[in-house]
Amino acid sequence: DAGITQSPRYKITETGRQVTLMCHQTWSHSYMFWYRQDLGHGLRLIYYSAAADITDKGEVPDGYVVSRSKTENFPLTLESATRSQTSVYFCASQLGTEAFFGQGTRLTVV
Amino acid sequence: AQKVTQAQTEISVVEKEDVTLDCVYETRDTTYYLFWYKQPPSGELVFLIRRNSFDEQNEISGRYSWNFQKSTSSFNFTITASQVVDSAVYFCALSGYTGANSKLTFGKGITLSVRP
Repeated sequence: DAGITQSPRYKITETGRQVTLMCHQTWSHSYMFWYRQDLGHGLRLIYYSAAADITDKGEVPDGYVVSRSKTENFPLTLESATRSQTSVYFCASQLGTEAFFGQGTRLTVV
Repeated sequence: AQKVTQAQTEISVVEKEDVTLDCVYETRDTTYYLFWYKQPPSGELVFLIRRNSFDEQNEISGRYSWNFQKSTSSFNFTITASQVVDSAVYFCALSGYTGANSKLTFGKGITLSVRP
């Protein structure tokens, strides 16, 4: 199916563990983004990527690592998860200014 | 830096009432885009509208209408004759025109509850 897919949809992990959220697009959009959604904050940009091997920080990058070895994939890694990283994470690819969002990943850090 | 302010946090109306969701933005860009997204209880983000900074015409789509006023940096969204299915969180967002500037800056969202 064409589109943008995030996995897993739900994840519970323990403090200190490493966890990777996956994002895959079936198009070849150059730009991809990771946002986190928290009550009272709306969606905030974590990292974005302009192309394979080109990434840059957004508003709230601390504690996260991204990579983009292939255009279609943009994984987000929490190297040592903290409770403050409990959130809903949205990945998006973008064509011009038209953004296509994944379904979101609900991550709980206990 | 870009900023989007949605001063209303929660709005509750009775079905068939009209409701306006406010959005005020700040940007130094002369060209930019404004957006509204809906997030129903199921959690996905649903795109509603995109408007570029050169087009100040109001837009109507069924029960939805948008009022863009550059003079007051506002992009308000009105739902006419609200329905229970309109209950959702609504986000206003702003982006620049190209490249890295096309990343979205979101407001904090407005939770709309429509009671039968």
